[in-house]
Amino acid sequence: GAVVSQHPSWVICKSGTSVKIECRSLDFQATTMFWYRQFPKQSLMLMATSNEGSKATYEQGVEKDKFLINHASLTLSTLTVTSAHPEDSSFYICSAGERGGTDTQYFGPGTRLTVL
Amino acid sequence: AQSVTQPDIHITVSEGASLELRCNYSYGATPYLFWYVQSPGQGLQLLLKYFSGDTLVQGIKGFEAEFKRSQSSFNLRKPSVHWSDAAEYFCALNQAGTALIFGKGTTLSVSS
Repeated sequence: GAVVSQHPSWVICKSGTSVKIECRSLDFQATTMFWYRQFPKQSLMLMATSNEGSKATYEQGVEKDKFLINHASLTLSTLTVTSAHPEDSSFYICSAGERGGTDTQYFGPGTRLTVL
Repeated sequence: AQSVTQPDIHITVSEGASLELRCNYSYGATPYLFWYVQSPGQGLQLLLKYFSGDTLVQGIKGFEAEFKRSQSSFNLRKPSVHWSDAAEYFCALNQAGTALIFGKGTTLSVSS
């Protein structure tokens, strides 16, 4: 149990376009999902906290108009990178905590974004 | 400030040898503590976690970790390393319902 999926697993796009990444909890409901960004050979940095039915909470320095987060249901959160630029190229990982569970977060497999 | 420190950036261990990866934390109270493993280009897999109770916790793949409050440490151990254990290891902490705070990670290489 406790499986989190992400789609797509990798994406290449042109500079200026927008890309949507989906994060789904497959076998549990997640009130809260988290979005992280990871640069090569580095640790995970929290971008935002996504709460079902409310606005996401962004970390300092993360542009909320550039990284749009929607958490429309208890099993789906989406991250849209708007007007992507090469510096947005990164590995994006989501995690989800089981509603009413033991506060363990389960991670998706990640999405590799390359902006040309 | 809340933080996680993994002092060793890169460790090389011979196959069959024992392993200890260090993790120290700074937190106002006793946090929830986790160890995750990440293979290249993959997501994170939970190895083990500590919430409360017995300070020695057992995880998957033969790993264990010991919580030492006096040392603010949560070191990961394995008695005999396999080549498939080569990966990036992250120590992390949080409180209930909050985002994880990660250490910078330790890269484990296994030599034959």
